[in-house]
Amino acid sequence: AQSVTQLGSHVSVSEGALVLLRCNYSSSVPPYLFWYVQYPNQGLQLLLKYTSAATLVKGINGFEAEFKKSETSFHLTKPSAHMSDAAEYFCAVSPNQGGKLIFGQGTELSVKP
Amino acid sequence: DAMVIQNPRYQVTQFGKPVTLSCSQTLNHNVMYWYQQKSSQAPKLLFHYYDKDFNNEADTPDNFQSRRPNTSFCFLDIRSPGLGDAAMYLCATSRDRGQGTDTQYFGPGTRLTVL
Repeated sequence: AQSVTQLGSHVSVSEGALVLLRCNYSSSVPPYLFWYVQYPNQGLQLLLKYTSAATLVKGINGFEAEFKKSETSFHLTKPSAHMSDAAEYFCAVSPNQGGKLIFGQGTELSVKP
Repeated sequence: DAMVIQNPRYQVTQFGKPVTLSCSQTLNHNVMYWYQQKSSQAPKLLFHYYDKDFNNEADTPDNFQSRRPNTSFCFLDIRSPGLGDAAMYLCATSRDRGQGTDTQYFGPGTRLTVL
């Protein structure tokens, strides 16, 4: 069965610092991977998705993620954190069964001034 | 703007009192999903509709039901809410359900409190 693991339930960075949120996947077939962001009391918003095209995927708000098959990873990065980036981030995989998303446990990002 | 709308945003019900949550979409998508998200946890899929075809997840309790009267609307019915059903309920839509190719668009969620 496919799954994702997010390392670190809480990450804290200073404003302007690099953001790195880790996601590792488990899949026996080429996966489709997603990063979503959730602000307090809001729904989920898609940041970016990997669908077996370019391994470096650029998303909204300056985020990007790199698919590394050898490491089974899909880490999310942003060069310079902004206060507005504080939110919960979810990595997700789409398994063979059509349409379903399986989410990781989430990483809460805090940004310090 | 095309979007996914959930009403109400906050719902309070009493233990055992049936409650219905509503989702509507202006995207004209074929697929509509309901997820349950408990505090500090990941969203968990309850079921989805592909057009009129209902697809239940194996571990979704019978207490949860859904209706989709037309393309635009989908309802989540909780027949006898328990304290453990307090959660955020997220509705999502996608154009189709090909593996990974169709982005799911989420509504803002309905936070359910059970007293």
